[in-house]
Amino acid sequence: SQKIEQNSEALNIQEGKTATLTCNYTNYSPAYLQWYRQDPGRGPVFLLLIRENEKEKRKERLKVTFDTTLKQSLFHITASQPADSATYLCALADTGRRALTFGSGTRLQVQP
Amino acid sequence: EAQVTQNPRYLITVTGKKLTVTCSQNMNHEYMSWYRQDPGLGLRQIYYSMNVEVTDKGDVPEGYKVSRKEKRNFPLILESPSPNQTSLYFCASSPTPRGSNEKLFFGSGTQLSVL
Repeated sequence: SQKIEQNSEALNIQEGKTATLTCNYTNYSPAYLQWYRQDPGRGPVFLLLIRENEKEKRKERLKVTFDTTLKQSLFHITASQPADSATYLCALADTGRRALTFGSGTRLQVQP
Repeated sequence: EAQVTQNPRYLITVTGKKLTVTCSQNMNHEYMSWYRQDPGLGLRQIYYSMNVEVTDKGDVPEGYKVSRKEKRNFPLILESPSPNQTSLYFCASSPTPRGSNEKLFFGSGTQLSVL
């Protein structure tokens, strides 16, 4: 069966360190993978999209990698700040499908 | 301001009483979708629409109806709500009909409780 797995345990790190979140998927052949940020009680907000032929994408302090062989995406936040504390969701769409499927997210807590 | 607007923000109702959650976007987006979010289960798609008068089922459509009579509006209808539909609901839109290769813009959510 198809599965998108994100670490359900919260990730706690110190301010200034790099946070690394993992998204693993099974039985998908995604053309795109996206990352979203969600704050409590709010709608998800888009962060980055990476295509299957891209290995890495950066935006300011954010970096996403996409390894279609390992079926994994890594999401990095460098020089993390307490304001980065939130839940981060990965989402992907199977080739040919019109809908995004979301993982259940990983909560990041950045301690000052 | 470009946005997706959902109403109401909170709704408490009783089993069997028909309700509608409205969703409107002002970005002229082709694609609109409804998701529900439950603890541990993530966001699950209920229905989506690629354009006016074109709707299709997502992963969990049972107990829900939608319509897309105008490009900007995509209401979610629960004809006979049941307690297992208690959830946090999100409407989302995207510029292209495909909905998977562009970012989604989400509304602020509707917290529904069915007693």
